[in-house]
Amino acid sequence: DAGVTQSPTHLIKTRGQQVTLRCSPISGHKSVSWYQQVLGQGPQFIFQYYEKEERGRGNFPDRFSARQFPNYSSELNVNALLLGDSALYLCASSLALRTGGFGAYGYTFGSGTRLTVV
Amino acid sequence: DAKTTQPNSMESNEEEPVHLPCNHSTISGTDYIHWYRQLPSQGPEYVIHGLTSNVNNRMASLAIAEDRKSSTLILHRATLRDAAVYYCILLIQGAQKLVFGQGTRLTINP
Repeated sequence: DAGVTQSPTHLIKTRGQQVTLRCSPISGHKSVSWYQQVLGQGPQFIFQYYEKEERGRGNFPDRFSARQFPNYSSELNVNALLLGDSALYLCASSLALRTGGFGAYGYTFGSGTRLTVV
Repeated sequence: DAKTTQPNSMESNEEEPVHLPCNHSTISGTDYIHWYRQLPSQGPEYVIHGLTSNVNNRMASLAIAEDRKSSTLILHRATLRDAAVYYCILLIQGAQKLVFGQGTRLTINP
């Protein structure tokens, strides 16, 4: 089975531009999460979606938004890019269940999208 | 956010066992203990998780203290490919997120 796939792998954007990152979860996984990892730090939680609904949101500005599609794939959008948005953006999927089962399953991460804002 | 404490770095030799400790004194009865590792330029990789009982899988073992306030990830026979940053994370029942700390940077000497 394919793992979590993210696209693109790398991209360079200019300050003020908008970017869309894409994620395809493992087949059968209905939960998708997004994380930002700045160089030298651990990943920081941005969003979680479960069955197309937002289930959690981290401490990120409204410039960050996401959505999940009927096939459980997901997009992360970042508007008005700042230099500080340069990071590795990670997507993770899980078998997590609606009924409080988010801790009972491991998360599988993709290799990430390296975003550079210049 | 539930907090874990890990040593910043550890060093071991190839083909020897490695014990990576994690303290989580504020854990509640329904919090799961998760371990992930991250190699340079890659996304985190799931290693193992548990709730109360010790757990084994093909990658590692997880030993959980009886009071659940600490746990230890055991790599039975380290290889050079095990060199990575290891994160111990508490996942609160019903929580939607993994909260990564600084982790333990594990160095394996040949």
